[in-house]
Amino acid sequence: QVQLVQSGAEVKKPGASMKVSCKVSGYAVTGLSMHWVRQAPGKGFEWMGGFDPEDGETVYAQNFQGRVTMTEDPPTDTAYMELSSLRSEDTAVYYCATELYETYDSDSYAVYRSWGQGTLVTVSS
Amino acid sequence: DIQMTQSPSSLSASVGDRVSITCRASQSINSHLNWYQQKPGKAPKLLIYAASGLQSGVPSRFSGGRSGTDFTLTISSLQPEDFATYYCQQSYSMPVTFGGGTRVEIK
Repeated sequence: QVQLVQSGAEVKKPGASMKVSCKVSGYAVTGLSMHWVRQAPGKGFEWMGGFDPEDGETVYAQNFQGRVTMTEDPPTDTAYMELSSLRSEDTAVYYCATELYETYDSDSYAVYRSWGQGTLVTVSS
Repeated sequence: DIQMTQSPSSLSASVGDRVSITCRASQSINSHLNWYQQKPGKAPKLLIYAASGLQSGVPSRFSGGRSGTDFTLTISSLQPEDFATYYCQQSYSMPVTFGGGTRVEIK
């Protein structure tokens, strides 16, 4: 069973950068397809990006292109998401989640079954 | 990007009621549709995958259906622990997109 534990809440000034960690246990981080999703207060979910196993590359959402970087540190089985040039609209809970494939009716379907507990990042002057 | 339109945005129901939530995709996603439950301050929990597959450990009162690009999550008999917010999510193509959520409240 994969478990994900994220770093703690942060407060950042506009223009600064943030880096959230996601520690994996029960599996090697290099064997997982890690994705990042955020949720602004009282709002729905916004996908930020994740590893695409078909291409072997990390894909970033258009809204975050140039501002977000997702990395992994295999020796510590930790994934990281760094977001730069922060603005107040980036205030949100950030989640890491592992994408895996479930088989149903002889086809494969991607799901997010394991999630981190979330990290609240507040951007305020 | 594929837009997911979820309705209603909220509903009030009583314990024992049958509840249905709808999600419409802006284009064909076949059955690449998942449903999640989220309680306040918690991460989402996967309930249904592939439009109608019940995730292991999820009670059988939860079910999913599909008609073209319309998807439905049904709770056959609402229980106290089911009061939460429910989200659909398409995994057909990147970017992954979610519905706006349906908050299920106690009447």
